[in-house]
Amino acid sequence: EAQVTQNPRYLITVTGKKLTVTCSQNMNHEYMSWYRQDPGLGLRQIYYSMNVEVTDKGDVPEGYKVSRKEKRNFPLILESPSPNQTSLYFCASSLSRTGHQPQHFGDGTRLSIL
Amino acid sequence: KQEVTQIPAALSVPEGENLVLNCSFTDSAIYNLQWFRQDPGKGLTSLLLIQSSQREQTSGRLNASLDKSSGRSTLYIAASQPGDSATYLCAGGSGTYKYIFGTGTRLKVLA
Repeated sequence: EAQVTQNPRYLITVTGKKLTVTCSQNMNHEYMSWYRQDPGLGLRQIYYSMNVEVTDKGDVPEGYKVSRKEKRNFPLILESPSPNQTSLYFCASSLSRTGHQPQHFGDGTRLSIL
Repeated sequence: KQEVTQIPAALSVPEGENLVLNCSFTDSAIYNLQWFRQDPGKGLTSLLLIQSSQREQTSGRLNASLDKSSGRSTLYIAASQPGDSATYLCAGGSGTYKYIFGTGTRLKVLA
């Protein structure tokens, strides 16, 4: 089944403890992206990747890191999480980076930073 | 900077009504406009994708239009059903491969 898989789905952790949210897609998609969703603010793009080893900042990249060493994986790294990073996070992928194909989303990861 | 606005924020209609959801964007240089559906506690499901060179796309009871000159896209839902109840989001793709989302319209279709 074609899908975007995020792990974990839920995480409660404490300020400053490094964490990684994994994202994997099995559709051989070129484009992958991370978003956070907050009440009243909608979805905001954190980082995106147009292909292996090619990443770029979205609108809210501060406090986050990403890597794209393999085509299927695009982990989101919070080196020193803070309470303002408490949010619902979504990973998405698209076959083409040119925008001619729709984005497919994972089911989300709810992070709580205490 | 691209801004995307969706009005209304919430909408409640009786079953069977035809309805229109609106999406406005400030930068006409978008290269696509995508409509999504989000159910509570779930991810986003892609409904329709309109390329900048297209005027509309249709899928079943859904029709989405794009007017770049006026900065507007609409999602038309025909003969609404309770199962259509969800939050509908639009997102504009910019030339730098970024996507800007609206804050969504929360739709409730009453049986």
